[in-house]
Amino acid sequence: NAGVTQTPKFRVLKTGQSMTLLCAQDMNHEYMYWYRQDPGMGLRLIHYSVGEGTTAKGEVPDGYNVSRLKKQNFLLGLESAAPSQTSVYFCASSYAGGGYGYTFGSGTRLTVV
Amino acid sequence: SQQGEEDPQALSIQEGENATMNCSYKTSINNLQWYRQNSGRGLVHLILIRSNEREKHSGRLRVTLDTSKKSSSLLITASRAADTASYFCATPYSGAGSYQLTFGKGTKLSVIP
Repeated sequence: NAGVTQTPKFRVLKTGQSMTLLCAQDMNHEYMYWYRQDPGMGLRLIHYSVGEGTTAKGEVPDGYNVSRLKKQNFLLGLESAAPSQTSVYFCASSYAGGGYGYTFGSGTRLTVV
Repeated sequence: SQQGEEDPQALSIQEGENATMNCSYKTSINNLQWYRQNSGRGLVHLILIRSNEREKHSGRLRVTLDTSKKSSSLLITASRAADTASYFCATPYSGAGSYQLTFGKGTKLSVIP
């Protein structure tokens, strides 16, 4: 089925460990996004990309890095995980920017202990 | 960053009743979008209304937009238990030459069978 696929779905990390979250879309969308969702905070934009090879910071970029080497993939990295990064992470893609609907993945639930 | 705010935060109704959720935003927009999130899942795009539209329908959903009051409403008619979910409004935010969506904190709708 066409859509956005996130891996892994669940992960537990120890403080200081690193990991990469993978997002893949098969809709040929130019724009891709990483959000985090925390209770009572809604969704907050971490980083986004407006095309292959480009990345930009969102509202809460500190502690995260991203890469968009291929159009269909958008990777989110945590270099040194902290308990404050415990959250549910969502990837989304869209044909263009905020003038079009987003397609979201099913999320990655990350716990940092 | 501009952000929509949904009201109420939580809503509980009986199956068959109508559910109305509201969204207020801060600055001028060119469109406003509504999304649904079932528990533990990703967000699903429901409807997009542009700034030159006042009302839009999609099945049992009716969305209105009042740009003079900077507000929108989502009406779900003849609600079903399956409509139980959180509903978010999203508005475009301009950053680094492109537009990204910012999301409110959502309205949690419970439909009691």
